Amino acid sequence: AQSVTQLDSQVPVFEEAPVELRCNYSSSVSVYLFWYVQYPNQGLQLLLKYLSGSTLVKGINGFEAEFNKSQTSFHLRKPSVHISDTAEYFCAVKGNTGKLIFGQGTTLQVKP
Amino acid sequence: DTEVTQTPKHLVMGMTNKKSLKCEQHMGHRAMYWYKQKAKKPPELMFVYSYEKLSINESVPSRFSPECPNSSLLNLHLHALQPEDSALYLCASSQERFANTGELFFGEGSRLTVL
Repeated sequence: AQSVTQLDSQVPVFEEAPVELRCNYSSSVSVYLFWYVQYPNQGLQLLLKYLSGSTLVKGINGFEAEFNKSQTSFHLRKPSVHISDTAEYFCAVKGNTGKLIFGQGTTLQVKP
Repeated sequence: DTEVTQTPKHLVMGMTNKKSLKCEQHMGHRAMYWYKQKAKKPPELMFVYSYEKLSINESVPSRFSPECPNSSLLNLHLHALQPEDSALYLCASSQERFANTGELFFGEGSRLTVL
């Protein structure tokens, strides 16, 4: 069965610093991976996705992620964060049944 | 601006009340979903509608009753809820059920408090 592990529940970082949010997955079938962001008091929004092809995926708001099959990872990165990036970030994998399987989430706290 | 609109944004109800949550999308999507989200947790799938028919019920208690009047609308009828049902209820849509692109379009949610 597929699963997703987000290795950090909270990541505090100062504004303009780089950040990496870690995600590991397990899957026995073709891998479709996603990062969603949830800003305070809002729904989820797709940041980026990996379906196939280039392992470096660029998303919205300057985020990117790298699919690493050997390490079963899909870490999210941004070279310089802003206060407005403060949010909850969810990694997800598409399961055998087609449903999205979400990780537990990582709270990114950007400090001035 | 979200293209999935949910009303109301906030709802407080007693355990004996009957209320409804509403969701609307005008993107021509043929799949619509209800999720439940507790604070600091990921969304949990409740129901999936595909082409206006109930496709998946994730063993949700019968006090939650979904309805899809047409391809743009999705309702969640609530009756005899328990305090533990207090949560953020998110509606989402996609072009097709569990489309390979994986992209779900979420509304901002309805925050429900059961007293």
